[in-house]
Amino acid sequence: AQTVTQSQPEMSVQEAETVTLSCTYDTSESDYYLFWYKQPPSRQMILVIRQEAYKQQNATENRFSVNFQKAAKSFSLKISDSQLGDAAMYFCAWSIGGSEKLVFGKGTKLTVNP
Amino acid sequence: EPEVTQTPSHQVTQMGQEVILRCVPISNHLYFYWYRQILGQKVEFLVSFYNNEISEKSEIFDDQFSVERPDGSNFTLKIRSTKLEDSAMYFCASREPGQQYFGPGTRLTVL
Repeated sequence: AQTVTQSQPEMSVQEAETVTLSCTYDTSESDYYLFWYKQPPSRQMILVIRQEAYKQQNATENRFSVNFQKAAKSFSLKISDSQLGDAAMYFCAWSIGGSEKLVFGKGTKLTVNP
Repeated sequence: EPEVTQTPSHQVTQMGQEVILRCVPISNHLYFYWYRQILGQKVEFLVSFYNNEISEKSEIFDDQFSVERPDGSNFTLKIRSTKLEDSAMYFCASREPGQQYFGPGTRLTVL
């Protein structure tokens, strides 16, 4: 069964500092997508960043970047220059082609301290 | 920017009642999804829908649940006889290749 594991239930970071959230996944598929979603207190699911498994280059979106290690099945999210608005639950997710249903991890609650 | 919309934002119902949650996916998307998130837990896949039929469903999606695309824009999730454990946030999503767009969710409270 495909699983996504986020081993850090909670993380905290000082404003302007850098934090890395961990995610590992288990699949026998070779072609898939990986995602990080942000869920603020409003509970809206907001896509932060995505990575296609066939791409070796790590995805970046402004202050957000990933470290994708395909062989290790690891997909961590780095947030640079953390801002108060980054405080939220962060979910790692995985999908394959076809119906592309998303499989989520349990989430990491990020607190940003002023 | 196109977005997925959901109504109502909050639905309160009595156990055993039927509820219909509504979604309007992004207009040119072909795949639609429902997910559920029980408070404090992870988001779980319920069902995917393509070409007017279910393409995949999870074990959560039992006979109490049904989905429908009654017209060219709406996509609905019906829970026939609600249980207390159906209380959750329900998210609709639609996708373009490689990316899903989520609606703001409907909070369902079953009393």
